[in-house]
Amino acid sequence: GAGVSQSPSNKVTEKGKDVELRCDPISGHTALYWYRQRLGQGLEFLIYFQGNSAPDKSGLPSDRFSAERTGESVSTLTIQRTQQEDSAVYLCASSSQGNSYNSPLHFGNGTRLTVT
Amino acid sequence: AQKITQTQPGMFVQEKEAVTLDCTYDTSDQSYGLFWYKQPSSGEMIFLIYQGSYDEQNATEGRYSLNFQKARKSANLVISASQLGDSAMYFCAMRGRTDSWGKLQFGAGTQVVVTP
Repeated sequence: GAGVSQSPSNKVTEKGKDVELRCDPISGHTALYWYRQRLGQGLEFLIYFQGNSAPDKSGLPSDRFSAERTGESVSTLTIQRTQQEDSAVYLCASSSQGNSYNSPLHFGNGTRLTVT
Repeated sequence: AQKITQTQPGMFVQEKEAVTLDCTYDTSDQSYGLFWYKQPSSGEMIFLIYQGSYDEQNATEGRYSLNFQKARKSANLVISASQLGDSAMYFCAMRGRTDSWGKLQFGAGTQVVVTP
């Protein structure tokens, strides 16, 4: 079946504008994750959704960042009043069992965000 | 908190040789999972191999094997018979109960370059 799909693949925005990034997880995957990867660096956890449980938002860097998920499907990551330091690749991942330590994450190709 | 350490920022390896990528971790959890991912220059994150904390045998997947030494808290990735297509960034990651199952923690990564 289809993998994790993210859109847009690239986004250039002006400082101060809001952006929305979209993620379609693998069908049937109950868990969905957002990570950020700055150029040449590792992956930084942002937020995690598992079924109908309250999301783990502990990685969101500021209140300008928020995310929603509709049931067990699409998720949207919103960044308000973008800053240049928000420039990064935003990676979405899903897994079949979010509450199991042996379930690997499957990643999308990411959205490359550039704030000018 | 859990922590993943990859001490090798970059490595060169000749084609057909084996290479070992180091990964050490710190956790107080008894149950946890260890993962390795490959990220080629295209940016996608590719799941390679998984090792559970209770698995007695080292995991193997084709040319990839995981040298798991629980007492030393290390989970080194061994790539046998390196190919040019193995050139990529390699990330070690873990998840456990302490940081919530969803928060897959990543190391800083090791850049591998395979030379002819």
